[in-house]
Amino acid sequence: EAQVTQNPRYLITVTGKKLTVTCSQNMNHEYMSWYRQDPGLGLRQIYYSMNVEVTDKGDVPEGYKVSRKEKRNFPLILESPSPNQTSLYFCASSSITGTYNSPLHFGNGTRLTVT
Amino acid sequence: EDQVTQSPEALRLQEGESSSLNCSYTVSGLRGLFWYRQDPGKGPEFLFTLYSAGEEKEKERLKATLTKKESFLHITAPKPEDSATYLCAVQARNGGYQKVTFGIGTKLQVIP
Repeated sequence: EAQVTQNPRYLITVTGKKLTVTCSQNMNHEYMSWYRQDPGLGLRQIYYSMNVEVTDKGDVPEGYKVSRKEKRNFPLILESPSPNQTSLYFCASSSITGTYNSPLHFGNGTRLTVT
Repeated sequence: EDQVTQSPEALRLQEGESSSLNCSYTVSGLRGLFWYRQDPGKGPEFLFTLYSAGEEKEKERLKATLTKKESFLHITAPKPEDSATYLCAVQARNGGYQKVTFGIGTKLQVIP
């Protein structure tokens, strides 16, 4: 089954304790991206990657890191989480045809709480 | 800056009561407009892509249309299982093909 898998689904942590949220896709997609979703603000892009070793900032990259060492994996790293990073996080992927992205496939989300 | 505005924020319908959701957008050059459905506790699920004004797409009780400034998602004779949040997103030409901007969504509730 074609899917984007995120882990964990729920995470509660304390301020300053480094954490990693994993994301893996099995569709051989070139493009992968991380979003956060907050009430009243919608989905906002954190980072994206066009292919292996190619990453770039989205709209809200501060406090986050990513890496793309393999095509299927795109982990999100919070080096020193703060309470304002409490949010619902989604990983997404799509293929690229010419200059068009195909529709995004989303994971089921990771609900992060930072106390 | 690309902007996507969805209205209404929330909509409550009786089963069988048809209605429309609106998505107004401002982009420098539209590559595509997407509609997604999001159920509670899940990631958004793709419904439609529209590329040019005048284009229409249908799937079961849903029909999406596009003009130069807005898109509508028409829901005909909705059922309770259509209850979800519907998200609109635009992909802009000048922003690079990796940039997709989402609206906040319309939360639809269909009452039996």
